[in-house]
Amino acid sequence: AQTVTQSQPEMSVQEAETVTLSCTYDTSESDYYLFWYKQPPSRQMILVIRQEAYKQQNATENRFSVNFQKAAKSFSLKISDSQLGDAAMYFCAYNDMRFGAGTRLTVKP
Amino acid sequence: ETGVTQTPRHLVMGMTNKKSLKCEQHLGHNAMYWYKQSAKKPLELMFVYSLEERVENNSVPSRFSPECPNSSHLFLHLHTLQPEDSALYLCASSQGWRVVPYEQYFGPGTRLTVT
Repeated sequence: AQTVTQSQPEMSVQEAETVTLSCTYDTSESDYYLFWYKQPPSRQMILVIRQEAYKQQNATENRFSVNFQKAAKSFSLKISDSQLGDAAMYFCAYNDMRFGAGTRLTVKP
Repeated sequence: ETGVTQTPRHLVMGMTNKKSLKCEQHLGHNAMYWYKQSAKKPLELMFVYSLEERVENNSVPSRFSPECPNSSHLFLHLHTLQPEDSALYLCASSQGWRVVPYEQYFGPGTRLTVT
């Protein structure tokens, strides 16, 4: 079974600084997709970024980027120039079925 | 807004009640999902409906019963729930399922409390 582990239940970052959220997963498949979703307080979960396993280049979306290490089965999310609006729960997901427990990110002004 | 709506947003029910959660998507998607979100636990996929195919997580108790009358609507029927069923129930939709893992669009969730 594919499992997704987010080892940081909570993280904190100063506004304008950079923070990295960790995610590891377990799989025997060679082709798959990985996602990071953001769930702001009392708001709907939305997609932040997506990575296809066969692509070696790390995905980037504005201030959000990933460090995808396929051999290590690691998929971390880096948020640069953190903003107050980045405060949320962040979920890592494997394909469209397996999610981690989430990391609660606090952004300090 | 993501194009996925859920009603009610909050629900308190006793263990002997029967209630239903409703989800509607306005995105023309072909797959719909029910998830259970409990604090400090991985988001748990409960059911998937895709083009008349239904897939369920075998660990979901039978007191949860899904219904998908068409590709735009999804229901979760609840009966004789337990206090441990209290959680946020999320609905999601996507263009398809399993062929290519598409991005999912989530609803705001129903906060369920079982007393």
